[in-house]
Amino acid sequence: QKEVEQNSGPLSVPEGAIASLNCTYSDRGSQSFFWYRQYSGKSPELIMSIYSNGDKEDGRFTAQLNKASQYVSLLIRDSQPSDSATYLCAVPHRGGTYKYIFGTGTRLKVLA
Amino acid sequence: EAGVTQFPSHSVIEKGQTVTLRCDPISGHDNLYWYRRVMGKEIKFLLHFVKESKQDESGMPNNRFLAERTGGTYSTLKVQPAELEDSGVYFCASSQSLAGGGQYFGPGTRLTVT
Repeated sequence: QKEVEQNSGPLSVPEGAIASLNCTYSDRGSQSFFWYRQYSGKSPELIMSIYSNGDKEDGRFTAQLNKASQYVSLLIRDSQPSDSATYLCAVPHRGGTYKYIFGTGTRLKVLA
Repeated sequence: EAGVTQFPSHSVIEKGQTVTLRCDPISGHDNLYWYRRVMGKEIKFLLHFVKESKQDESGMPNNRFLAERTGGTYSTLKVQPAELEDSGVYFCASSQSLAGGGQYFGPGTRLTVT
């Protein structure tokens, strides 16, 4: 089992819809979770962090965390074609250095 | 505030040659990380500096890779001699604190070994 798993996609949604991106992780003791957006050929851009169970909203983005089920998700409301990118889930490894363990990323396509 | 910068953006070298990648972190960020993404795989950790000290180099593939961070500012990652399997995108990231706030990534260096 991979430490951080994501469906590679592509996930296609129509413009204006809600895009739901999921990530599961294997270390039950993980405390913090990060979502990055990466456009093709560009750097991963930090868009959300979440530390507590429940929802965290920032503009059109909502991160959801369920530690009991070991999953974290990212919802994008009112999806725009400019949201088309790869979304990476990152979970810091517990061991002092907080090196990130990444999923493979989910490619999102928002269709105009 | 300037972000993380990396140089060069692309490098094409022949097997057996040497390449040095450079990363300039965000000013004031003591933590500097190197990661690599090879084709079709996830981004993987290579090593972590706190200031000029290596804290964790467990992800370095072998002794052909040498990273330095003299003076605790910019960092270099040298590959010598390069092999075909070293091809990929090398990312640098920096953070102010370990536990919170997240890591900020540079644009990456795409390395192609032919």
